[in-house]
Amino acid sequence: GEDVEQSLFLSVREGDSSVINCTYTDSSSTYLYWYKQEPGAGLQLLTYIFSNMDMKQDQRLTVLLNKKDKHLSLRIADTQTGDSAIYFCAEEIGGGADGLTFGKGTHLIIQP
Amino acid sequence: DTEVTQTPKHLVMGMTNKKSLKCEQHMGHRAMYWYKQKAKKPPELMFVYSYEKLSINESVPSRFSPECPNSSLLNLHLHALQPEDSALYLCASSQDRSRGNEQFFGPGTRLTVL
Repeated sequence: GEDVEQSLFLSVREGDSSVINCTYTDSSSTYLYWYKQEPGAGLQLLTYIFSNMDMKQDQRLTVLLNKKDKHLSLRIADTQTGDSAIYFCAEEIGGGADGLTFGKGTHLIIQP
Repeated sequence: DTEVTQTPKHLVMGMTNKKSLKCEQHMGHRAMYWYKQKAKKPPELMFVYSYEKLSINESVPSRFSPECPNSSLLNLHLHALQPEDSALYLCASSQDRSRGNEQFFGPGTRLTVL
């Protein structure tokens, strides 16, 4: 079955890089996603990576995928106060697009 | 238009009430989803519709009744809910159910059951 793990909190100083980690168990996952949720809001898709890729970069965001260890990370360069939110990694259920299984979410806290 | 809209934004209802949540998208997406998110928890999938047909029901109690009247609309009918059903209900859509199609989420309806 699918199970996605994340640490619950990460605290970084403004201007530093943030690295949010995630592990998943379904080796058939083809796509893995990162979503951002601000307080009281819905989910915003940040980026995703295809399972045959090791890395994907999109402006301040870098996604690294280690398929052997089933480990996914999201790096946010030059972290700003507006990056304060909960970040969820997610995988496709059953390896297809039958909805998503989410990790518990990592609360990113920015210190001035 | 790359937006999923949901109404109402907030809903308070009693355990004997009947109410409906609405979701709409005009991106031409043919897959639509309902998720439930309890406080400080991740979203959990409830239902998946594909081409207006119910594809997946994740063992959701019958007091939740989904409906997809056309390709742009998705409803969730609520009846005889319990206080533990209080949560944020999120709607999402994607182009279809094939792999790698991004799911776009609405802002959610925050439901409180008294």
